[in-house]
Amino acid sequence: EIVLTQSPATLSLSPGERATLSCRASQSITIDLAWYQQKPGQAPRLLIYDASNRATGIPARFSGSGSGTDFTLTISSLEPEDFAVYYCQQRSNWPPRITFGQGTRLEIK
Amino acid sequence: EVQLLESGGGLVQPGGSLRLSCTVSGFTFGNYAMTWVRQPPGRGLEWVSSIFGSGAGTYYADSVKGRITISRDNSKNTLYLQMNSLRAEDTAVYYCAKQRGRGSVVYWHFDLWGRGTLVTVSS
Repeated sequence: EIVLTQSPATLSLSPGERATLSCRASQSITIDLAWYQQKPGQAPRLLIYDASNRATGIPARFSGSGSGTDFTLTISSLEPEDFAVYYCQQRSNWPPRITFGQGTRLEIK
Repeated sequence: EVQLLESGGGLVQPGGSLRLSCTVSGFTFGNYAMTWVRQPPGRGLEWVSSIFGSGAGTYYADSVKGRITISRDNSKNTLYLQMNSLRAEDTAVYYCAKQRGRGSVVYWHFDLWGRGTLVTVSS
């Protein structure tokens, strides 16, 4: 099973700052990686798929990069509504085994 | 309006059974693969099971294989999760989610989610 490790576990920043979240896979997953945002009491929301493609309606301040085993979600300038938990997710080849990272909590400093 | 609405959660004793439903509207249900993801209280996300749009392919996490069955009724726009031999560790909010892609093109990430239904396994 491919394990995704997210870092840091918690990130404390202020509105307007740049956030950089990391996701590392235990083996290469090419670009088959997605990022989700989850706010308290809500379902996750797809932000990024295929490592760098923004989902429909996602603001341009969110960007994804990486390939192989190392991936990054960047929020260029934090808005108050961006403070939430972020998860990365991948699918292994076949049969499909989907795994999520343990999450990064982005909190207001 | 696109909507996914889960139902069927509740309190069940260990060893018991429960069937979850996810009724969808606003898109052609049978064209899309669907997935169940769960989240134990205060913890992260865990994939449970997926099913192709036709219902022909079904896939399960090792932690639930043999105890849980995913199915769908495309005529009713409804996805199901039959859960048997429930354990305390199955306690979670269960989300249904739509996979990106259409027909034979299936992507394994999730662009629409329901609000979830809570399953509590306890005596």
